[in-house]
Amino acid sequence: DAGITQSPRHKVTETGTPVTLRCHQTENHRYMYWYRQDPGHGLRLIHYSYGVKDTDKGEVSDGYSVSRSKTEDFLLTLESATSSQTSVYFCAIGGEGDQPQHFGDGTRLSIL
Amino acid sequence: KNEVEQSPQNLTAQEGEFITINCSYSVGISALHWLQQHPGGGIVSLFMLSSGKKKHGRLIATINIQEKHSSLHITASHPRDSAVYICAVSSGSARQLTFGSGTQLTVLP
Repeated sequence: DAGITQSPRHKVTETGTPVTLRCHQTENHRYMYWYRQDPGHGLRLIHYSYGVKDTDKGEVSDGYSVSRSKTEDFLLTLESATSSQTSVYFCAIGGEGDQPQHFGDGTRLSIL
Repeated sequence: KNEVEQSPQNLTAQEGEFITINCSYSVGISALHWLQQHPGGGIVSLFMLSSGKKKHGRLIATINIQEKHSSLHITASHPRDSAVYICAVSSGSARQLTFGSGTQLTVLP
């Protein structure tokens, strides 16, 4: 296994509430990524990190913020969740040199 | 136009058939990836390639850099190969991925 876990695995919440998803790795990878997967859009990059406190925006970053205070953890926050953010969220690690990215099991988030 | 185009979107085959899924891309890349996603959601990396051809068991992936095209072949297909196959390209300083829309493969016994 690639040593990556996401939590929670499932979450249902209401519009306007804050939500934080956690990605934890035990592999000491420099790069970590958050993607969302939606029918009709496939997988899209939200944010990524290239080191502690170093993050950048992806294709669909509006409405999301991230933080990486230590190598192991990459947090994705929806400050005020909207129904359009209902999705399956995947974290990934790796991507350096010849390494493929390894994906977490995903978090299914429903915003009512 | 999407940066990564996959075809076909859906593919149904009989067990034992040879299967080909195609991927074309329009941007400069550092590598091309083939991923597999089974129902229930987990995403697994099958191949990462920047030139030539790679083989793993019954799966073969090829890439033509000049034509910006890659193919994933499955020989002697089996019902357990039924899944969504996703082509992705990595680019940028952090090798972030841009994905195709996926190919839903169903192999019938």
